Amino acid sequence: GNSVTQMEGPVTLSEEAFLTINCTYTATGYPSLFWYVQYPGEGLQLLLKATKADDKGSNKGFEATYRKETTSFHLEKGSVQVSDSAVYFCALSGGSYIPTFGRGTSLIVHP
Amino acid sequence: GAGVSQSPRYKVAKRGQDVALRCDPISGHVSLFWYQQALGQGPEFLTYFQNEAQLDKSGLPSDRFFAERPEGSVSTLKIQRTQQEDSAVYLCASSLAPGDSEAFFGQGTRLTVV
Repeated sequence: GNSVTQMEGPVTLSEEAFLTINCTYTATGYPSLFWYVQYPGEGLQLLLKATKADDKGSNKGFEATYRKETTSFHLEKGSVQVSDSAVYFCALSGGSYIPTFGRGTSLIVHP
Repeated sequence: GAGVSQSPRYKVAKRGQDVALRCDPISGHVSLFWYQQALGQGPEFLTYFQNEAQLDKSGLPSDRFFAERPEGSVSTLKIQRTQQEDSAVYLCASSLAPGDSEAFFGQGTRLTVV
């Protein structure tokens, strides 16, 4: 079945540092890949997505590239802000269109 | 409405009590999902509706869990004879159409069974 593995947190960074959160997946066929973000006290929000190999999703300075050869979709940001502190979830949606989530990675950014 | 709305936001139930959790999806959204999120974990799929049809309930952990969406809009997740292991955040999400890639989530209902 489908599964998503993402790096364990928390990830603790200083403001303006470079961020990478690793995500790898297992799926049959050609799934769509997503990153969702959950700010404290709020619901999950879609951050970015990519629907086919080599696509790059981007939003709010975050980027992730769909790498079929390595079955990865790592999240990156060049310069994090305190306001980026949240939990980030990698997810995929395959043929059944039911999103499957990783366990989440908490990001803490210090001023 | 503007987004997916869930109620109540918090629910404390005594072990053995029945609970009902409500989800109001975005108006016109065909697909509706329920997830269970334990502390420190990612959302785990429970069940999926396309309009009023429950197409997948493979994630429901036991026959104490029941979901419905009788008119293809509002959905209710019911848990009978609650147990402590049912304590979790229950998330509802909707999307415009089957295969539409973006799911919109509600804020969830935090259920605590004491």
